[in-house]
Amino acid sequence: DVKVTQSSRYLVKRTGEKVFLECVQDMDHENMFWYRQDPGLGLRLIYFSYDVKMKEKGDIPEGYSVSREKKERFSLILESASTNQTSMYLCASRHNPGPDGDEQFFGPGTRLTVL
Amino acid sequence: GEDVEQSLFLSVREGDSSVINCTYTDSSSTYLYWYKQEPGAGLQLLTYIFSNMDMKQDQRLTVLLNKKDKHLSLRIADTQTGDSAIYFCAETPSNDYKLSFGAGTTVTVRA
Repeated sequence: DVKVTQSSRYLVKRTGEKVFLECVQDMDHENMFWYRQDPGLGLRLIYFSYDVKMKEKGDIPEGYSVSREKKERFSLILESASTNQTSMYLCASRHNPGPDGDEQFFGPGTRLTVL
Repeated sequence: GEDVEQSLFLSVREGDSSVINCTYTDSSSTYLYWYKQEPGAGLQLLTYIFSNMDMKQDQRLTVLLNKKDKHLSLRIADTQTGDSAIYFCAETPSNDYKLSFGAGTTVTVRA
């Protein structure tokens, strides 16, 4: 079974803190993604990575950065957390798109609250 | 996501059929997906349909695709309490690595 794990299920931080969200996948997937999920807005892509050391901005990258030093690990960094970054953060991974589709496998999510 | 639209809520009685509707904008999308998110969990792929198909059936699930109207639907037959979840429609726009998701439809199954 594909497994995507996220370092924390719940996290509470203070405004201005630097926050690290970690994601690890065990299926040698090339692509990894970070989304945030907010009620009524669905999932919005923050950043994604085609492969190791590669990163691309998604739809809402402002206030975030990422790191992909190893293939299995994709980190999301909030340089200076703000209250509007309170959200559910979902990590996903998949192989490069191919003829069998491009299913993304999701982690359980990290619910971040910024006070 | 702004490119994929779906209604936000659906209430259905146990044993009835549920139909969740979605409209998308990129007519060249290769695959269209339905993901399910149970309370407190991440998203799980429920089913998908290739763009050259009109219909796909998988046990209690039926996906219908109308490419002309860019309309996708998911029908769940004999809806059970375990089907209560948020259902997301998603597409892969052409020449794009990412999925575009709808806002999600919260399905509530009542006894």
